[in-house]
Amino acid sequence: SYVLTQTPSVSVAPGETATITCGGINIGRKSVHWYQQRPGQAPLLVVYDDRVRPSSIPERFFGSNSGNTATLTISGVEAGDEADYSCQVWDTDFDHPLFGGGTHLTVL
Amino acid sequence: QLQLVQSGAEVKKPGASVKVSCQTYAYTFSANYMHWVRRAPGHGLQWMGWINPKSGVTKYARQFQGRVTMTSDTSITTVYMDLVRLTSDDTAVYFCARGQLDSSDFEYLKDWGQGTLLTVSS
Repeated sequence: SYVLTQTPSVSVAPGETATITCGGINIGRKSVHWYQQRPGQAPLLVVYDDRVRPSSIPERFFGSNSGNTATLTISGVEAGDEADYSCQVWDTDFDHPLFGGGTHLTVL
Repeated sequence: QLQLVQSGAEVKKPGASVKVSCQTYAYTFSANYMHWVRRAPGHGLQWMGWINPKSGVTKYARQFQGRVTMTSDTSITTVYMDLVRLTSDDTAVYFCARGQLDSSDFEYLKDWGQGTLLTVSS
């Protein structure tokens, strides 16, 4: 079955840019969605359809998708961005959502 | 304001069953599939299944088939997730999430309930 691979952790200083990747075979042919989950909270959709931000999500969150890697880029990282970020695609073999293992973003 | 409001935390013994509810507000209940996702300590998000609230048709992840049942009550715009034969591995936070069609006519999870903590311990 399809597999999504995420780096377990990423650390950046405040104000820097965080790059979170999601790897999968030909993932560029799929629609990729990203969720932020702060400790003790429900997941929050931050990007859908590779690069579209819900209206409440700041422009600092940018998604892209090509080849075998989808990327969530967070510019001007703030302390409040510290969270787990998970990518999601649709597993067409089994007809259900599939999540990556998640990346924990630490703001130093 | 659209909301998904879940039932409260549960503590169960191994072998027991649990039923978690997700009451919805301020959208057309029958218009979207409802998914259930869990997050166990030290693990990522895990999809459990979806239900079409209008028809009652369900699809479950292979890992949960035979142990999970999802139902809906359109009269009170509520969906339910039953999980039986609980073990300590089922200790997790359980979320309902409203599906939304993406550009490929598949789904992402647009709105989430607040989560229900299930603790399974003897």
